[in-house]
Amino acid sequence: GAGVSQSPSNKVTEKGKDVELRCDPISGHTALYWYRQSLGQGLEFLIYFQGNSAPDKSGLPSDRFSAERTGGSVSTLTIQRTQQEDSAVYLCASSLDTGNYGYTFGSGTRLTVV
Amino acid sequence: RKEVEQDPGPFNVPEGATVAFNCTYSNSASQSFFWYRQDCRKEPKLLMSVYSSGNEDGRFTAQLNRASQYISLLIRDSKLSDSATYLCVVRQGRRALTFGSGTRLQVQP
Repeated sequence: GAGVSQSPSNKVTEKGKDVELRCDPISGHTALYWYRQSLGQGLEFLIYFQGNSAPDKSGLPSDRFSAERTGGSVSTLTIQRTQQEDSAVYLCASSLDTGNYGYTFGSGTRLTVV
Repeated sequence: RKEVEQDPGPFNVPEGATVAFNCTYSNSASQSFFWYRQDCRKEPKLLMSVYSSGNEDGRFTAQLNRASQYISLLIRDSKLSDSATYLCVVRQGRRALTFGSGTRLQVQP
């Protein structure tokens, strides 16, 4: 597609359940990033993938969070045993590479843990 | 200390005004700089890159001062449609972009 696609756009889950968030980057973009944004806050880096290199997981807040990127394209962010503090908008972005390029963001998944 | 610091605002300005935002960054190894715009409940969108010599895009001018580690954005002739949150963004090496928390601008008729 023309842009970064994320699904679902909204997700309400019960505390303790696992959730999967999906990101489909722009075709040809080798770099893919996950951020999250809590209400009224800035963007918090979670993880990024660049080509076939090992992902930079330095932003993942706990071992309940994991992500994978299959075939260098679609990525899935998984949150296990969700907690209320996980409620946020999860944003995916892609770029041509990690050089001096800006990112194109998807419209995000709004996760609410009740 | 945050890696990227911005005045959260809000900046309330009348249409046609000139407004400037500054941001400071803590890591002197930062190499790439950007301004993003984020509308309410929307994703951030790239506004412009910031180059060492300064650069302009229509009504928008970005400046970088490496010695003082600050970046500025100047908006001339403000429009109602400029109302948004402006995010200052830096990158060190091949790390992911680091975003400031943003400065909110409200342009009033």
